[in-house]
Amino acid sequence: GDSVTQMEGPVTLSEEAFLTINCTYTATGYPSLFWYVQYPGEGLQLLLKATKADDKGSNKGFEATYRKETTSFHLEKGSVQVSDSAVYFCALNDMRFGAGTRLTVKP
Amino acid sequence: ETGVTQTPRHLVMGMTNKKSLKCEQHLGHNAMYWYKQSAKKPLELMFVYSLEERVENNSVPSRFSPECPNSSHLFLHLHTLQPEDSALYLCASSQRPRASGGNEQYFGPGTRLTVT
Repeated sequence: GDSVTQMEGPVTLSEEAFLTINCTYTATGYPSLFWYVQYPGEGLQLLLKATKADDKGSNKGFEATYRKETTSFHLEKGSVQVSDSAVYFCALNDMRFGAGTRLTVKP
Repeated sequence: ETGVTQTPRHLVMGMTNKKSLKCEQHLGHNAMYWYKQSAKKPLELMFVYSLEERVENNSVPSRFSPECPNSSHLFLHLHTLQPEDSALYLCASSQRPRASGGNEQYFGPGTRLTVT
């Protein structure tokens, strides 16, 4: 069946470091792909999305490209901030979520 | 109020109690969802409602009973829970039900449930 595999955390980085969180998927057809973020004490909120192959989603300095050939949707940010500390979830459009990756950014 | 709201934010209940969680969305969406979020486990989809009709029930024990009286409100009735049911329960809504392209979800802040 359809599934999402996300890199396990936790991930700890220093401020201004480069971030990559890997996400790969297994699905029939051509699903839309999402990254959600969950800040402490809050629900999930949409960070970015891509609806077809080669689409690049971007928001708040984060980017992810829908790679059909590698079935991947890796999240990247060139320079993280302390305020980016949160849990990040990769998801398919049928509401199948990855396990989440906790990111901690230290000043 | 905007977005998706949930009440209460925190709930402690004994195994013999009956309680209800409430979710309300102010976005004009047609689909609503209940999720369970436990520590170190993937997000678990529990129930899906589309236009007030339950369209999915993912093998959830009968001690959890959902109710969707209209497209803006969703309840989760709880009775005879077990300690392993302690978790964060998240409500979400979307314009259309799952599997529609680009159909992102909007989440509430969750209810932190502790079963003693």
